Amino acid sequence: DQQVKQNSPSLSVQEGRISILNCDYTNSMFDYFLWYKKYPAEGPTFLISISSIKDKNEDGRFTVFLNKSAKHLSLHIVPSQPGDSAVYFCAATPSGSARQLTFGSGTQLTVLP
Amino acid sequence: EADIYQTPRYLVIGTGKKITLECSQTMGHDKMYWYQQDPGMELHLIHYSYGVNSTEKGDLSSESTVSRIRTEHFPLTLESARPSHTSQYLCASRDLGNTIYFGEGSWLTVV
Repeated sequence: DQQVKQNSPSLSVQEGRISILNCDYTNSMFDYFLWYKKYPAEGPTFLISISSIKDKNEDGRFTVFLNKSAKHLSLHIVPSQPGDSAVYFCAATPSGSARQLTFGSGTQLTVLP
Repeated sequence: EADIYQTPRYLVIGTGKKITLECSQTMGHDKMYWYQQDPGMELHLIHYSYGVNSTEKGDLSSESTVSRIRTEHFPLTLESARPSHTSQYLCASRDLGNTIYFGEGSWLTVV
């Protein structure tokens, strides 16, 4: 049973437009959420996180929104750049747990010039 | 910026060989992890450590073993590699704020 789901395996966006990547989770114990970006043959790079006490966190071009009642989070990238083309993973964890960081299956974002 | 390093980055070895994937971090993090990821698939936790002399198996069964003799070092060993071990292995460590930082990964191909 996938506790963290990214239902869109791929997304294409024009350069300069907004990219919206979505993630759903089922485990009510999750209260800390993270987004990672991954290029081929490299390790995931941490992008941004959000705690369940907030519903929005912003860092430059990246904003993460959390809707706890819907168990849904999204990552907005504005404006999108060709260098943003990568696989994006969302991850979730109960903040008190040392071991449990559950990843989604990833969304391949392609930003077209 | 996370300081976590993995070697080798790429390795092709024959079946039956013993291999150790090295992982080091300079951030003093107690919690460290090994994940395995096949292309296009999710990351799966195979080992984790709370600190020195603490190691536990993760969610995905793995024939590999790990050790944690020093805080900064968390090597993963395969005693006898098989083609089914071909994958990307990602080492990570976790800060006190619950963020996990990854190394660049080790691509292992067993022929």
